[in-house]
Amino acid sequence: EAGVAQSPRYKIIEKRQSVAFWCNPISGHATLYWYQQILGQGPKLLIQFQNNGVVDDSQLPKDRFSAERLKGVDSTLKIQPAKLEDSAVYLCASSYRGLGQPQHFGDGTRLSIL
Amino acid sequence: GESVGLHLPTLSVQEGDNSIINCAYSNSASDYFIWYKQESGKGPQFIIDIRSNMDKRQGQRVTVLLNKTVKHLSLQIAATQPGDSAVYFCAEGGNTGNQFYFGTGTSLTVIP
Repeated sequence: EAGVAQSPRYKIIEKRQSVAFWCNPISGHATLYWYQQILGQGPKLLIQFQNNGVVDDSQLPKDRFSAERLKGVDSTLKIQPAKLEDSAVYLCASSYRGLGQPQHFGDGTRLSIL
Repeated sequence: GESVGLHLPTLSVQEGDNSIINCAYSNSASDYFIWYKQESGKGPQFIIDIRSNMDKRQGQRVTVLLNKTVKHLSLQIAATQPGDSAVYFCAEGGNTGNQFYFGTGTSLTVIP
């Protein structure tokens, strides 16, 4: 089966600019996650969707980050305006149903803020 | 939130030896655990999982052990190969949803 697809692979922007990431999960996976992974650390959950509804966004900095999953398939994560501390790899993952299911990750988007 | 940590940040082993990577978790209510392997420039790759009703699970060259008494998880890799060099994360899943908490990771280096 095709894996989780993410684009772009790399993005360089200046602080205060905006940026968007795209994710296409594995076909049939109802649950989709966005993680932030800072260099040298484990992934940190930003937001979790079940179909097109938000399950958990408690760690999403909502003053600058937003995410949507229209139609319950693809998802986009946006940052506006970006700060220096947003430099990280943004990973998307999906799982079949959510509860007790392994998550499958894409290769992420590496974001650098100048 | 939950706290998942690893005892050793780096581990170097000789090719052919067995590797053991350890992980501690803090939430006794967690009932699902996963080990991931992450190579440079790639996303975490699922290795093996275990549920809290088990204490051992084996895969191909890998074994995961779960000790719920002391809230400890370990990953054993048999006959470690150069391709096993990567960062390994344990992730703890709560039983209230499929939210996973990742540790910092252990960097495994295999010496040819």
